[in-house]
Amino acid sequence: TQLLEQSPQFLSIQEGENLTVYCNSSSVFSSLQWYRQEPGEGPVLLVTVVTGGEVKKLKRLTFQFGDARKDSSLHITAAQPGDTGLYLCAGDWLDNDMRFGAGTRLTVKP
Amino acid sequence: DVKVTQSSRYLVKRTGEKVFLECVQDMDHENMFWYRQDPGLGLRLIYFSYDVKMKEKGDIPEGYSVSREKKERFSLILESASTNQTSMYLCASSLPMSGRAYEQYFGPGTRLTVT
Repeated sequence: TQLLEQSPQFLSIQEGENLTVYCNSSSVFSSLQWYRQEPGEGPVLLVTVVTGGEVKKLKRLTFQFGDARKDSSLHITAAQPGDTGLYLCAGDWLDNDMRFGAGTRLTVKP
Repeated sequence: DVKVTQSSRYLVKRTGEKVFLECVQDMDHENMFWYRQDPGLGLRLIYFSYDVKMKEKGDIPEGYSVSREKKERFSLILESASTNQTSMYLCASSLPMSGRAYEQYFGPGTRLTVT
């Protein structure tokens, strides 16, 4: 069974601050997805990364896939209260195993 | 936009009852999934289906069964509900394995309480 770790588990910041959350595995990912989940709702897909070193941007969110495809980061610039939520990464590995991390719960205070 | 709907947002059942959770997707996706989500544990896969009448066990299938009689509908069944099945249940769908199988589209979830 593959393990997928997210850090930090909780993050509370002020509006306007920047932040980075991480997703790591000891094995090489085939692909990795990031989702955001708001309270009382299902997760919503934000992005998929596939190629080592890949960087994708979605407005103020920047997603990076590690060169070795074992880790990924999500950076938010100038966080807003609307960014509050649970950020989940989900990875699949070469043996077709797929699982979700436990998530980073982000709170952005006005 | 992909739309995945779940039959109930909130459900309260008694121990020993049979519980049906239904999920419908409107994007003709081959794959459908059922997860439960508990604090600190993330999403854990219960069952998934890659075609009508096909099903595969996930990480935690014990105490659950599923049914997929039509492509757009995937049902989760708790044969005899127990208090440790109190959780948020999430349904998802995706395109086939040869495509973007791991890009999943989720329903809003059903918060089930078993008393």
